[in-house]
Amino acid sequence: KAGVTQTPRYLIKTRGQQVTLSCSPISGHRSVSWYQQTPGQGLQFLFEYFSETQRNKGNFPGRFSGRQFSNSRSEMNVSTLELGDSALYLCASNSGGADTQYFGPGTRLTVL
Amino acid sequence: QKEVEQDPGPLSVPEGAIVSLNCTYSNSAFQYFMWYRQYSRKGPELLMYTYSSGNKEDGRFTAQVDKSSKYISLFIRDSQPSDSATYLCAGGSSASKIIFGSGTRLSIRP
Repeated sequence: KAGVTQTPRYLIKTRGQQVTLSCSPISGHRSVSWYQQTPGQGLQFLFEYFSETQRNKGNFPGRFSGRQFSNSRSEMNVSTLELGDSALYLCASNSGGADTQYFGPGTRLTVL
Repeated sequence: QKEVEQDPGPLSVPEGAIVSLNCTYSNSAFQYFMWYRQYSRKGPELLMYTYSSGNKEDGRFTAQVDKSSKYISLFIRDSQPSDSATYLCAGGSSASKIIFGSGTRLSIRP
């Protein structure tokens, strides 16, 4: 069974630009969660989508948004990038229970 | 105060030693507890999952949750150099919203 895939793996942007990251969950998984990982703050929950609806949201500004498609693939968008948005963005898919949350390899975003 | 606190380390132990990793949490509503292992340049992988209090053993790994003291522990027996990684504890009141600790960097010396 293929794992969670994320594209692109690496991205360099400049301040003020916007970026879209993509996540394909494990086949059959309907829940997709997004996390931001930085050395200072660790892994922080951004939001979770289930069946195309945002089910949970973390404490991030409105510049961070996401969506989920009918095939469970998810995208995350960050608008008006700031230097502090440089991080590893991780996507995790879940079949429904906490014990089955599988992470992708992440997208490393660098904002210059 | 963070909801899940974890000593960032680094922690360095000789091969074969027993490793003890610990976290504390503050939210009494937490029912789901997990340990993840993250190798450099990889996403976290689920190591252990516990619902509510108690112990869980899987090979060389044992996870413990003490809800009375809000303490989460992971023990690694007969540690191997391949266990060198960052270990993340996590807890949540909902299966879909998990709060992670900052991670402990572990190094096993051959």
